[in-house]
Amino acid sequence: AQTVTQSQPEMSVQEAETVTLSCTYDTSENNYYLFWYKQPPSRQMILVIRQEAYKQQNATENRFSVNFQKAAKSFSLKISDSQLGDTAMYFCAFMKPSAISSGSARQLTFGSGTQLTVLP
Amino acid sequence: EAGVTQSPTHLIKTRGQQATLRCSPISGHTSVYWYQQALGLGLQFLLWYDEGEERNRGNFPPRFSGRQFPNYSSELNVNALELEDSALYLCASSSDRSQETQYFGPGTRLLVL
Repeated sequence: AQTVTQSQPEMSVQEAETVTLSCTYDTSENNYYLFWYKQPPSRQMILVIRQEAYKQQNATENRFSVNFQKAAKSFSLKISDSQLGDTAMYFCAFMKPSAISSGSARQLTFGSGTQLTVLP
Repeated sequence: EAGVTQSPTHLIKTRGQQATLRCSPISGHTSVYWYQQALGLGLQFLLWYDEGEERNRGNFPPRFSGRQFPNYSSELNVNALELEDSALYLCASSSDRSQETQYFGPGTRLLVL
């Protein structure tokens, strides 16, 4: 079974600064997908960024980028120029491709989350 | 483009009752997923429906069930409600073209008294 670990329950950052959220995972699969979702106080889960394990290039989406270290099974999220609207719970998630195994097909496995607060 | 919608936003039931939660996927999405977010337990996968069929099920008892309709909307039914079923229930959908990316709705908060 896959596990996802987020070791930072809470973090804070000053507005306009950069912050990095950590995530590690455990899997025996070679191909898989990794995601960062954010859940603001409204509770709506919003996709931030997605990474395919077979791609060596780190994914980026505007101010959000990842540092994907496949050998170390590490998938950290960097938020640049932090904004007040970035305040949210951030979840790291893992998924096996559905073509490989039906046992946990399309099943997102989430970490426990990191509560990020952006301070004015 | 409208996102995933869920109804009701809040639901209050008593122990032993049944709850029905509804989800409409993004237009063009054929797969629907259900997750439970309970305090202290985090986000847990419940069910995956695709083309009207249950494709995968998480580690939940059979009193958690659902279905997917021809228009791809979905219902989650929870029978014989227990206090620990109190949680935020999140629905997500994905398309054939991007099967691995799930987009979530705002959730239904279920409170069992």
